[in-house]
Amino acid sequence: EIVLTQSPGTLSLSPGERATLSCRASQSVSSSYLAWYQQKPGQAPRLLIYGASSRATGIPDRFSGSGSGTDFTLTISRLEPEDFAVYYCQQYGSSFYTFGQGTKLEIK
Amino acid sequence: QVTLKESGPVLVKPTETLTLTCTVSGFSLSNARMGVSWIRQPPGKALEWLAHIFSNDEKSYSTSLKSRLTISKDTSKSQVVLTMTNMDPVDTATYYCARMVLTGYRSFDYWGQGTLVTVSS
Repeated sequence: EIVLTQSPGTLSLSPGERATLSCRASQSVSSSYLAWYQQKPGQAPRLLIYGASSRATGIPDRFSGSGSGTDFTLTISRLEPEDFAVYYCQQYGSSFYTFGQGTKLEIK
Repeated sequence: QVTLKESGPVLVKPTETLTLTCTVSGFSLSNARMGVSWIRQPPGKALEWLAHIFSNDEKSYSTSLKSRLTISKDTSKSQVVLTMTNMDPVDTATYYCARMVLTGYRSFDYWGQGTLVTVSS
């Protein structure tokens, strides 16, 4: 089973800054099968990025995804107040899905 | 409009069996491209995938919980059901159902609001 490790655990930044979140897989993941989600307190996760780099419907273009193999990145180009939340990566492989442990993006 | 809604008991006792229902609308469980997963999240912790069912009734389960889980669907009722046996306090979590469209990708585009299940005597 593939393990996803996200870093950092917590990221403290100010609105307007750039955020870079990492997701590392224990073995190679198909780029088609790597996704990112945003979760705010008391809410269900929301799909941001699928296929490692494609934005889901309605997601602003300040969110971008990149990477391949075992290393993937979610970048938020200029943080807005509503972007402070927890972010999870997720992969699919061999009929199993796994999530990373999450990165909390907090206001500095 | 696609929606998913979880329902089931709020409180279960240790050793009991949990049964959760996900009622979907805006898409059909008989659509060859549709699948539904159950995912849970203990308070303050990360998401954990539990089980998935495809329209052709193919199923997959988390390796660590496989012996305790059963997923099924009733297409006529637009429902996906998850049972988990031998519940323990560590199973206290918000349980979500989520849709996956079988394209070249494997991501969950719509989620239910979640239902909090507490395991306690």
